[in-house]
Amino acid sequence: DAKTTQPTSMDCAEGRAANLPCNHSTISGNEYVYWYRQIHSQGPQYIIHGLKNNETNEMASLIITEDRKSSTLILPHATLRDTAVYYCIVRVARNQGGKLIFGQGTELSVKP
Amino acid sequence: NAGVTQTPKFRVLKTGQSMTLLCAQDMNHEYMYWYRQDPGMGLRLIHYSVGEGTTAKGEVPDGYNVSRLKKQNFLLGLESAAPSQTSVYFCASSRTSGYNEQFFGPGTRLTVL
Repeated sequence: DAKTTQPTSMDCAEGRAANLPCNHSTISGNEYVYWYRQIHSQGPQYIIHGLKNNETNEMASLIITEDRKSSTLILPHATLRDTAVYYCIVRVARNQGGKLIFGQGTELSVKP
Repeated sequence: NAGVTQTPKFRVLKTGQSMTLLCAQDMNHEYMYWYRQDPGMGLRLIHYSVGEGTTAKGEVPDGYNVSRLKKQNFLLGLESAAPSQTSVYFCASSRTSGYNEQFFGPGTRLTVL
């Protein structure tokens, strides 16, 4: 699976959009971009995933660049409850049992 | 649905003791996983299972054993606990290894003295 690079930490004002970047310059054509988050002490939670098209669900939007070498997770109206560590993960859909390789992630702090 | 549950929530062991962590899921998922998370780090995969009766090694399998006798349960065993195994252990499950997300349990905090 390709390696990802994320900023260590970010701040965001409550009610504003939070844009979390992720670089995955060695991504292969059959690798998906997944985002998970982990609120303090809890198990990780799936947010969204995509291959090449932009994706949106009730939690967030995922913007993937045309060359697929980077992506941005957007939380449109961040709340205090969105304070968490956000993990960007690249994986082949049907590889080796579907393992997720977690990096250090981005610690997002949403401030009042 | 309870989702993914883990037992126990907390445990303190002495070096050399053994224990089993239980993970249960009620979503009829085929795949199950055990991860560990050390302070300030991301999760690392210990072992996983792609179906009842099958298990495979992940990134950090040494010192652990697993069993998947029933589809809904995935057990993680420590035969002789070491202080280096002090960690938070998370179990997860998913429908298949394909495009589906993994659902995580609440975690087990294990301290080995």
